[in-house]
Order: sequence, then C-alpha cells, then structure tokens
Amino acid sequence: QKEVEQDPGPLSVPEGAIVSLNCTYSNSAFQYFMWYRQYSRKGPELLMYTYSSGNKEDGRFTAQVDKSSKYISLFIRDSQPSDSATYLCAMDNQGGKLIFGQGTELSVKP
Amino acid sequence: DAGITQSPRHKVTETGTPVTLRCHQTENHRYMYWYRQDPGHGLRLIHYSYGVKDTDKGEVSDGYSVSRSKTEDFLLTLESATSSQTSVYFCAISDPGGNQPQHFGDGTRLSIL
Repeated sequence: QKEVEQDPGPLSVPEGAIVSLNCTYSNSAFQYFMWYRQYSRKGPELLMYTYSSGNKEDGRFTAQVDKSSKYISLFIRDSQPSDSATYLCAMDNQGGKLIFGQGTELSVKP
Repeated sequence: DAGITQSPRHKVTETGTPVTLRCHQTENHRYMYWYRQDPGHGLRLIHYSYGVKDTDKGEVSDGYSVSRSKTEDFLLTLESATSSQTSVYFCAISDPGGNQPQHFGDGTRLSIL
C-alpha cells in the first residue's frame, strides 16, 4: 500500500463548478501538507501549504487537513478552464523528503 | 518562477551511455532535490543535497549518482542508462528555515532507447 493515495481521475467538471480533490495517507508523522498544480509539460507549482490540521483559504482555493482521519482536501470554487491541470498532494514529516500522491487530472469544460 | 533552470530540457540517448542532467538555481537555497515522475507513481525522490558536497539517497536512488560542488548547481548522473530510466526528471529547491516548501523546475524529458 502506498503511503499517500490519490485518485488519478480524470475528473471533468463544467465551468463554475466546485471541485473537490482528496488524498488519504497512512503515516501519522506527516505534519506539513501541500498541494501542487502541474500544467502539461511544466513543473509542479505550489498552490497551498499547510501545517497540521485545519483549513487554509487563498482566493478560490481552500485546503483542509484532518489528521485524525488522515485525509486532506483541496476545494476549488468557481472553477475556470484555466484550472485544468494535474493536482498533486504532497506531505512532509519534517525530514524534508516529500511523499507525493500520483496526481488527479482535472478538466474544466467551458 | 523560482529561479531554477534544468538542462537539457529534452534528451534521447541509447542504453548503456552515460547521461548527466543539470539543475541550476539563482535563489541561493541550501537544499536541492532530484525527482523522477512516471505515470501511476507520481513524483519520487532520487537524491537530495543539504549543502555543498553533502548529499543523500532518496526512495529510488539505484542507478543514479549526484554531485554538488557549488551551491547553485546540482548534477544527476546516470552512469549507464537503462530503458527503465526513461522518465521526466524534476529538480526542486528549498530553504530549510522554518520547513519551507519545495519549488520545482520545468523538468527534463529523458528517453533511453
């Protein structure tokens, strides 16, 4: 079993929809949680960075961490075609070595 | 962009040949990382460096070596490339202060025939 599980999709939604992306993990030592966005043929771009449990909001993006359930989520409100990309969750146990989910491919249709 | 340049961006080579990929940063960050990205596996850590001449292995280090003689440059070498090393390779950097997140370059697409 992988340390971090992420549904690869693909996920297709209409423009304006609320998108929910999720990851589960097994290592309770993880304390830092990240979401990266990756466009085709580009490197991952940091979207959200959170520590421990709770919510963090940045514009149309909200990251949630539930350490008791070992579950993290990324919500995208009012989704746009420009949000079409692969979204990667990543986690760190303070050792500096990130463990990534395999990524969810999102398509937002106009 | 985070001031990371990877070279070459694309390379096609033959099995058994040596290959070196370069990562150059202009941020003066102490930590540098090499990952590979494959379908179904996401990003996996190959090697990382926590300072000049200080390196350590990651999850998938077999068949790879690294060197860091200057803060700004981190080299990844495949001594004798195999077809299983066909992948997209990403370099990342981070500043260790306060558990800063990693920032990535745009990758090198390597095909080994």
